[in-house]
Amino acid sequence: AQSVAQPEDQVNVAEGNPLTVKCTYSVSGNPYLFWYVQYPNRGLQFLLKYITGDNLVKGSYGFEAEFNKSQTSFHLKKPSALVSDSALYFCAVRDIGAGNMLTFGGGTRLMVKP
Amino acid sequence: NAGVTQTPKFRVLKTGQSMTLLCAQDMNHEYMYWYRQDPGMGLRLIHYSVGEGTTAKGEVPDGYNVSRLKKQNFLLGLESAAPSQTSVYFCASSPGLVFNEQFFGPGTRLTVL
Repeated sequence: AQSVAQPEDQVNVAEGNPLTVKCTYSVSGNPYLFWYVQYPNRGLQFLLKYITGDNLVKGSYGFEAEFNKSQTSFHLKKPSALVSDSALYFCAVRDIGAGNMLTFGGGTRLMVKP
Repeated sequence: NAGVTQTPKFRVLKTGQSMTLLCAQDMNHEYMYWYRQDPGMGLRLIHYSVGEGTTAKGEVPDGYNVSRLKKQNFLLGLESAAPSQTSVYFCASSPGLVFNEQFFGPGTRLTVL
């Protein structure tokens, strides 16, 4: 069975500093990996995905994520955080052997302070 | 282009009552999904559909039924609501193929007393 772990419930960072939101996964085959963001009282919005190819994936709003197969990780990063980046972030994985099931992590709340 | 819409936005039910949540998408997507979101548990898949007239169980299907009579609509039904079904429900759609991202609706906040 596929699974996703987001080990930090909350990440605090000062505006202008780099941020990292961690994600590790477990699948039986090759993974498709996604990051979504959720602002208060809103649905999830797609940020970026890894399918194949370059391990560094660039996405919306200046975010990027690094795929590391040996560490089974897909950490979300941004070089310089903005207060407006404060939101709930979800990592998700889909195993091609698991049909159409997309498994989400528990979410990490990012707080960016001025 | 409204994307994915959900009706209603909020609802309060008493234990044992029934209701239907409606999801509609105008992107001609083949796949549609119903999730529930509970604190600290991320999103869990209830049911999904890979096309008009088809449905399949997800991770937490018990107590829910679904129907996909039209490609653009995906209905989630609760026949006899229980307090454990208090949650925020999200509908999503995608064009199909496992590497496509999903597009989410704004959610329905359901409270069962």
